[in-house]
Amino acid sequence: GQSLEQPSEVTAVEGAIVQINCTYQTSGFYGLSWYQQHDGGAPTFLSYNALDGLEETGRFSSFLSRSDSYGYLLLQELQMKDSASYFCAVDNQGGKLIFGQGTELSVKP
Amino acid sequence: DTAVSQTPKYLVTQMGNDKSIKCEQNLGHDTMYWYKQDSKKFLKIMFSYNNKELIINETVPNRFSPKSPDKAHLNLHINSLELGDSAVYFCASSHIGGGGNTGELFFGEGSRLTVL
Repeated sequence: GQSLEQPSEVTAVEGAIVQINCTYQTSGFYGLSWYQQHDGGAPTFLSYNALDGLEETGRFSSFLSRSDSYGYLLLQELQMKDSASYFCAVDNQGGKLIFGQGTELSVKP
Repeated sequence: DTAVSQTPKYLVTQMGNDKSIKCEQNLGHDTMYWYKQDSKKFLKIMFSYNNKELIINETVPNRFSPKSPDKAHLNLHINSLELGDSAVYFCASSHIGGGGNTGELFFGEGSRLTVL
């Protein structure tokens, strides 16, 4: 089977740093993506890791360890607008994304 | 201009009816998808087309039939609607050809289907 595990919810305060972990078990692996989805909105792409290491894009960074089947999304200097659901997704067939269940992030003042 | 647009945004219908959702992308992508998001926010791939050819067909009841008249359009027709079909259906597109896969899908705004 194929599975992705991520925490169901995380709470943090404005200005803090939060890390959302994702472990995966899939039949194939091309890369790990992260998506953000606000309530009532569409998922929007944040980052993609095909190789081991850290990718940084502004306040957001994403890490991948292929040998550990593990990745994480790091959000720094949290803002209220970061409150949303965050999904990790494995590309296991050159374009076919399998999504995790999502982590609901609540940012408190 | 909206990159991936789908219509209608909301759809309320009775069990047993047939309905369609249309999707268009103006990004020049070669691959389009349908995803279903249930009430627990789980996003599951249903179908994928690459240059009008079906390449992914997950375990979906055959009441669901996708159609791609050209690579910019992917429609979803659902026959004999059931209560369990209530969900948000997202269309998405990406570019896979040429080895340029970046794991990035562009999603439409979603079509919320409610079956009564």
